Amino acid sequence: NAGVTQTPKFQVLKTGQSMTLQCAQDMNHEYMSWYRQDPGMGLRLIHYSVGAGITDQGEVPNGYNVSRSTTEDFPLRLLSAAPSQTSVYFCASSYSSRQPQHFGDGTRLSIL
Amino acid sequence: GENVEQHPSTLSVQEGDSAVIKCTYSDSASNYFPWYKQELGKGPQLIIDIRSNVGEKKDQRIAVTLNKTAKHFSLHITETQPEDSAVYFCAAEANQAGTALIFGKGTTLSVSS
Repeated sequence: NAGVTQTPKFQVLKTGQSMTLQCAQDMNHEYMSWYRQDPGMGLRLIHYSVGAGITDQGEVPNGYNVSRSTTEDFPLRLLSAAPSQTSVYFCASSYSSRQPQHFGDGTRLSIL
Repeated sequence: GENVEQHPSTLSVQEGDSAVIKCTYSDSASNYFPWYKQELGKGPQLIIDIRSNVGEKKDQRIAVTLNKTAKHFSLHITETQPEDSAVYFCAAEANQAGTALIFGKGTTLSVSS
């Protein structure tokens, strides 16, 4: 099993551009989440999903959209990138609630 | 919503010493408290977790204690080794359904030989 796969690993955008960060898992996990990690801020929850067709907002959802059309995939969309969205983004999945989350290796995003 | 505070932000110990990291949480309904270790350039990895029906859990050199009355939990690493050097995060449930996590801001542990 590959676990949680995030693509791309690195990306540089200009302010106002849009892009989608991809996340895929092959463990048949129902629960998936997106976090951003900034220096001194730890990991902050952006959006999460408890199954296909179901998503909800986390701590810092503004500027980001998600959808969950399949169990395996949970893409994160930036509609109009801003410098404040420069961060490392992590996707995670778990089998159910109150179970260990498995993280990908992150996407390092810079917005100029 | 849930709020998790983690201390200290940095911790330096000598090889063989013990290290303790403490976290407090705000939502008394939280029932699941995992700890993650993050190495440079990698995603966090679970090292141990505890649920509210137990007060302590051990796995070799790592232990976690939970005090639900005081709403705090701690990570204890004994006989530290240089490879324990990393960033450690505590977390608690983001909602009552336990469907996502809220993380502390992390502790950078440095173990010198």
